[in-house]
Amino acid sequence: KAGVTQTPRYLIKTRGQQVTLSCSPISGHRSVSWYQQTPGQGLQFLFEYFSETQRNKGNFPGRFSGRQFSNSRSEMNVSTLELGDSALYLCASSLGQIDSEQFFGPGTRLTVL
Amino acid sequence: QKEVEQNSGPLSVPEGAIASLNCTYSDRGSQSFFWYRQYSGKSPELIMFIYSNGDKEDGRFTAQLNKASQYVSLLIRDSQPSDSATYLCAGRYGKLTFGTGTRLTIIP
Repeated sequence: KAGVTQTPRYLIKTRGQQVTLSCSPISGHRSVSWYQQTPGQGLQFLFEYFSETQRNKGNFPGRFSGRQFSNSRSEMNVSTLELGDSALYLCASSLGQIDSEQFFGPGTRLTVL
Repeated sequence: QKEVEQNSGPLSVPEGAIASLNCTYSDRGSQSFFWYRQYSGKSPELIMFIYSNGDKEDGRFTAQLNKASQYVSLLIRDSQPSDSATYLCAGRYGKLTFGTGTRLTIIP
């Protein structure tokens, strides 16, 4: 079974630009969660989608948004990029039950210059 | 604020010994806990999950959950150099809440 895939793997943007990251979950998984990982803050939860609905949301500004499509693929968007948005963005998929295990994709490394 | 706390280490263990990683959580509401391993430059990889009080064993790994004392631990027996990584503990509070991770180094 194929794992979680994320595109692109690396991205370089400048301040003020916007970016869209994509995540394809494991086949049959209906939930996708997004995380930001930085050396200083660790793994921070952004949001979780289940069956095209946002189920949980972390404490990030409104510049961070996401959506999920009917095939469970998900995208996250960051508008008006700031230098502090440089991070590894990870997506994790699960079957969707509340205690389901989450499996991570390889991540997208975003650098904001 | 529901929190999961880990000792950031680093923790150094001789090859072949038992590595013990610990995690405490602040809210009794969580019913499930997960251990992830993350190699430098890679994404987290699920190692173990545990829902019930007591021990759960999988190969060289044993997860322990004590809900009364609000701690979760991971034991790695016969530690190998390939076990050198950062280990992340996570509790499920609606969303998955991660600790900051413990850096483990196995010394040959």
